[in-house]
Amino acid sequence: AQTVTQSQPEMSVQEAETVTLSCTYDTSESDYYLFWYKQPPSRQMILVIRQEAYKQQNATENRFSVNFQKAAKSFSLKISDSQLGDAAMYFCALLRLNFGNEKLTFGTGTRLTIIP
Amino acid sequence: NAGVTQTPKFRVLKTGQSMTLLCAQDMNHEYMYWYRQDPGMGLRLIHYSVGEGTTAKGEVPDGYNVSRLKKQNFLLGLESAAPSQTSVYFCASSYSPRLLTRNNEQFFGPGTRLTVL
Repeated sequence: AQTVTQSQPEMSVQEAETVTLSCTYDTSESDYYLFWYKQPPSRQMILVIRQEAYKQQNATENRFSVNFQKAAKSFSLKISDSQLGDAAMYFCALLRLNFGNEKLTFGTGTRLTIIP
Repeated sequence: NAGVTQTPKFRVLKTGQSMTLLCAQDMNHEYMYWYRQDPGMGLRLIHYSVGEGTTAKGEVPDGYNVSRLKKQNFLLGLESAAPSQTSVYFCASSYSPRLLTRNNEQFFGPGTRLTVL
């Protein structure tokens, strides 16, 4: 079984500041992907960033970057220059690549509030 | 492209009633998924399908059935609704994660809020 843990139910950050959301995971697979999804009040799930486990280089997408520590099974999301539109629930997710049995497991989410 | 669409967007059922949620995607994705989202529990996989005519159980399949008769559609059925099935249901689709030339992103529908009284 695989698990994804987000230990911060809520976080807040001042607008324009930097915030880091934590995620740890457990899997016996050697081949997998990690994702951060954003869910604003509209309820739509939006992909923020993804990381292939076989890549050592941390993924970056504009103001969003990850700190992927494979040995520690840690996958944190850093949001730089926080904006009001970043306010949302953020979900960490793990995709195992077991042929015909690929599954995405989500963490319980972190609610991010941006303080103007 | 419409992406992933779900109907209906809202529904209220009485205990014991049945209903079917429809998910449609126009991206020619092989994989489709049904999740439920409950407060404090993230998204949990109910059933999924790796291709037309195939389905498999996810993490919380009890009380649900699914069918994938056409590649673009994935139906989720509740035969006898229970209050414990009150939730927000999300459908998602993706290319096969094994296709490394493709983005492994799952594309989500807008969700269906179901209340069972």
